Amino acid sequence: GENVEQHPSTLSVQEGDSAVIKCTYSDSASNYFPWYKQELGKRPQLIIDIRSNVGEKKDQRIAVTLNKTAKHFSLHITETQPEDSAVYFCAASIFGGIQGAQKLVFGQGTRLTINP
Amino acid sequence: NAGVTQTPKFQVLKTGQSMTLQCAQDMNHNSMYWYRQDPGMGLRLIYYSASEGTTDKGEVPNGYNVSRLNKREFSLRLESAAPSQTSVYFCASSTRMAGELFFGEGSRLTVL
Repeated sequence: GENVEQHPSTLSVQEGDSAVIKCTYSDSASNYFPWYKQELGKRPQLIIDIRSNVGEKKDQRIAVTLNKTAKHFSLHITETQPEDSAVYFCAASIFGGIQGAQKLVFGQGTRLTINP
Repeated sequence: NAGVTQTPKFQVLKTGQSMTLQCAQDMNHNSMYWYRQDPGMGLRLIYYSASEGTTDKGEVPNGYNVSRLNKREFSLRLESAAPSQTSVYFCASSTRMAGELFFGEGSRLTVL
């Protein structure tokens, strides 16, 4: 089955700097790669996702890149702000099967701290 | 519009006791999921239901059973709770055609 590794487990950056979180996946059939943000005591929420037919996707200060050959994908946050402090999870799945449900496999999470 | 609602939010059990976590969604989603979250291990899929009437095992199904009662409701049952099942449990739902999972607020379960 799919295995997703996420690094680093903790990341501390100065406000205004950029943060990068990296993930690798094992199943070359995976075609959907979302990123979730979880604030302390809250539920995970989707912040951006990318499908395997796209190499990069941007949404304001966040971007995700995908390298299918190397089975790597990364989350980039620019101009970080205090409200970016949270735990971020990457995930991978094979989406669009006959039944339509996806078995998302999550990485272990990265605790991002933005220092003022 | 409540989204995904889980009950109870907190529960303490003794080893060997049973309990059921309830989940309901009002977004007319076809697919529903149960995840557990443990420190340093991310979210791990316990069971999922692609559509009403179907259920399937995820990564860590041992010690759990599920019921997809109807399109709205998906329950998770612990028949004989063990300390290793101490965790935060999240229910989630999604449409058939979109990838986003909508999570409930979570249920914190402690097994003594």
